[in-house]
Amino acid sequence: EAGVTQFPSHSVIEKGQTVTLRCDPISGHDNLYWYRRVMGKEIKFLLHFVKESKQDESGMPNNRFLAERTGGTYSTLKVQPAELEDSGVYFCASSPKGQGEAEAFFGQGTRLTVV
Amino acid sequence: DAKTTQPNSMESNEEEPVHLPCNHSTISGTDYIHWYRQLPSQGPEYVIHGLTSNVNNRMASLAIAEDRKSSTLILHRATLRDAAVYYCILRGGPKAAGNKLTFGGGTRVLVKP
Repeated sequence: EAGVTQFPSHSVIEKGQTVTLRCDPISGHDNLYWYRRVMGKEIKFLLHFVKESKQDESGMPNNRFLAERTGGTYSTLKVQPAELEDSGVYFCASSPKGQGEAEAFFGQGTRLTVV
Repeated sequence: DAKTTQPNSMESNEEEPVHLPCNHSTISGTDYIHWYRQLPSQGPEYVIHGLTSNVNNRMASLAIAEDRKSSTLILHRATLRDAAVYYCILRGGPKAAGNKLTFGGGTRVLVKP
């Protein structure tokens, strides 16, 4: 069974450009989460989808970040325009249930560098 | 979100057991205790979780205090591959909104050959 996959694995862009990160969750997992770790900080929650609906987007830093999950399958996270402080590693996770007893499966992450 | 407290780091010798403590004194009755680990340059990886009873799986054991205010992750025989940052996380029950994982600083485990 394929795990959570993220594309690209690395991205280097200039300040002001746009970048789109993609996450393919495990098939059948309704719950999809985005997290990120910026340099030297803890992993922080960004948002949570249940199927195609945003369940919780309390962690999104500002309106330069837009997440979508059309059709409830893969998800994209767009940063437009990118700023230097957006550099970090972005993780996606999926879970079959949203309840506390379910484990979350993480992708390998996308390392974003804004120069 | 209920908070957990873990030591910043621990060292172990290869093939010896490792006991990783976690305090969660404000845990609610429906919170599950989850452990994840993050190996270098990888995404977090699920290790184990439990509610009230001790749990065992192929990776580790989880010992939960009777009052649930603390727990211990036990790696029975540490290998070099177990060197990682281990996170103790509380995840809400069915009525908790979103059930996002709230990561703290974790415990960095160093395994010496």
